[in-house]
Amino acid sequence: AQSVTQPDARVTVSEGASLQLRCKYSYFGTPYLFWYVQYPRQGLQLLLKYYPGDPVVQGVNGFEAEFSKSNSSFHLRKASVHWSDWAVYFCAVSMDTGGLSGKLTFGEGTQVTVIS
Amino acid sequence: EAAVTQSPRSKVAVTGGKVTLSCHQTNNHDYMYWYRQDTGHGLRLIHYSYVADSTEKGDIPDGYKASRPSQENFSLILELASLSQTAVYFCASSDRGENTEVFFGKGTRLTVV
Repeated sequence: AQSVTQPDARVTVSEGASLQLRCKYSYFGTPYLFWYVQYPRQGLQLLLKYYPGDPVVQGVNGFEAEFSKSNSSFHLRKASVHWSDWAVYFCAVSMDTGGLSGKLTFGEGTQVTVIS
Repeated sequence: EAAVTQSPRSKVAVTGGKVTLSCHQTNNHDYMYWYRQDTGHGLRLIHYSYVADSTEKGDIPDGYKASRPSQENFSLILELASLSQTAVYFCASSDRGENTEVFFGKGTRLTVV
């Protein structure tokens, strides 16, 4: 069965510093991978998605992620963090490539705290 | 803008009571989903639906029923609420097709006492 692991439950970063959030996945076949962000008391919003192709994908608000098949990873990066990036970030893998794009397996999430 | 609206946004229920969580989407999407989120955990799929009047079990369906009376509406029903069902519940919708975006509601915080 597919699974997603986010090894860092909490990350604290200074405003303006770079950020990397780790994601490891286990999936038989070619995965469709996603990063979502959850702001306080909000639903999840899509940051970026990976479909088979270029391993580096660009997302919204300056986020990018890199897919590595050899490492089974899909790490998220941002060059310069803003206070508004304070949120919980979820990595997810799609369970269904037949059209049910909402059947997702999520990681545990990483809480990002931004300090000045 | 795609919209998924959940009601209520929060609820306190009594153990053994019946709880109905509602979800309404204006996206004209075929597929709808119910997830639960527990503190420190990611979301887990409870039920989903391809089409009105049909529902499917997700990864953790025990203790939950789902109802899809129309394309726009998808309800999650807890017939006998238990303490372990205290969580935040998210509804989502997506269009058919492989690369379609999934839109989430803002969640319903359910506390069972």
